Amino acid sequence: DVKVTQSSRYLVKRTGEKVFLECVQDMDHENMFWYRQDPGLGLRLIYFSYDVKMKEKGDIPEGYSVSREKKERFSLILESASTNQTSMYLCASKLRGLAGSYEQYFGPGTRLTVT
Amino acid sequence: AQSVAQPEDQVNVAEGNPLTVKCTYSVSGNPYLFWYVQYPNRGLQFLLKYITGDNLVKGSYGFEAEFNKSQTSFHLKKPSALVSDSALYFCAVRAYMDSNYQLIWGAGTKLIIKP
Repeated sequence: DVKVTQSSRYLVKRTGEKVFLECVQDMDHENMFWYRQDPGLGLRLIYFSYDVKMKEKGDIPEGYSVSREKKERFSLILESASTNQTSMYLCASKLRGLAGSYEQYFGPGTRLTVT
Repeated sequence: AQSVAQPEDQVNVAEGNPLTVKCTYSVSGNPYLFWYVQYPNRGLQFLLKYITGDNLVKGSYGFEAEFNKSQTSFHLKKPSALVSDSALYFCAVRAYMDSNYQLIWGAGTKLIIKP
């Protein structure tokens, strides 16, 4: 079974703090994704990565950065947390292209509250 | 614009009755369509997908979905609902955007199965 783990289930941070969300997958997937989930808005893509040290902006990258130093790990960084970044953050991974299935596999999520 | 619509925020069904969760899409080219389920305080789980072939696809937990090209729909169905099916359901379509394939997500439909 594919396993995607996220470092924290719940996180409370103060405005202006630097926040690190970590995601690790154990299936040697090339592609990894960070989404945020808000009620009524579905999932919105923040950043994704197709390979180590490679990153692409998604729909809402402002206020976020990412790091992928190893294939299995994809980190989301909030440089200076703000209250409008209070959300559920979901990490996902998948095999690249035609080499594998098309579906993404998700971690349990991190519910971040910024006060 | 490429998009996914889940027209119902919430669907209520009595246990044992058939259920349908609706999804329509707008995408360039051949659609790759997905359904995911999110149980309370959990990450998203893949249910089923349509890539090509038979319009009726079967997935996990007794769910199925019918691809209808003329109506651009991919409704999720189950013949007999269980209380344990109560969850948040997301439809997604693969779209080519900004030189990459990405998933576009619906806003989600909350399914409530009453005993």
